[in-house]
Amino acid sequence: NAGVMQNPRHLVRRRGQEARLRCSPMKGHSHVYWYRQLPEEGLKFMVYLQKENIIDESGMPKERFSAEFPKEGPSILRIQQVVRGDSAAYFCASSPSLYSGNTIYFGEGSWLTVV
Amino acid sequence: EDKVVQSPLSLVVHEGDTVTLNCSYEVTNFRSLLWYKQEKKAPTFLFMLTSSGIEKKSGRLSSILDKKELFSILNITATQTGDSAVYLCAHENSNSGYALNFGKGTSLLVTP
Repeated sequence: NAGVMQNPRHLVRRRGQEARLRCSPMKGHSHVYWYRQLPEEGLKFMVYLQKENIIDESGMPKERFSAEFPKEGPSILRIQQVVRGDSAAYFCASSPSLYSGNTIYFGEGSWLTVV
Repeated sequence: EDKVVQSPLSLVVHEGDTVTLNCSYEVTNFRSLLWYKQEKKAPTFLFMLTSSGIEKKSGRLSSILDKKELFSILNITATQTGDSAVYLCAHENSNSGYALNFGKGTSLLVTP
């Protein structure tokens, strides 16, 4: 039973380019969450999605960041016109139903470096 | 604003030592406190604590919550090099449980 799959694991982008991070939840999981971990910081919640719906994007920066979870395919976190401050690890997590306690599973993260 | 503070930020011990990691919190709408282990990859779940004074145990790891003093500790006895990792503490809010509020973590290095 595969876990939460994220790709790419490492991504290097020049300032101004776009970054696309993909997340396939665990089989049977329909709830996806994205977190960001800046250097020397804890994980910060960004967005919570269900299939075709954004439930809560209160942690997303207002500009340049967007997320989707289409009916078919993985969830995508998209960062347009990346800046150095976007360099971070981006973690996706999934749960079979609305998250509660220990039912959330994290992927191994996508490390974005902006040069 | 909810806060989760972990201490120490980093720790180096010898194999066989016992370590205690601390997590204090100032939060509204408390539902649970969670501990995760992160080894350069996916954070993996260790414990969920909801009630004061009830110790959760898994092998050499144990954890307890004090809801009056607003802190939790994670103990690791007879440490091994495989325990080297970042240990994360997170608060689960009863209003929006999915938006876990993490501390910065404690980086533990166990030397042979």
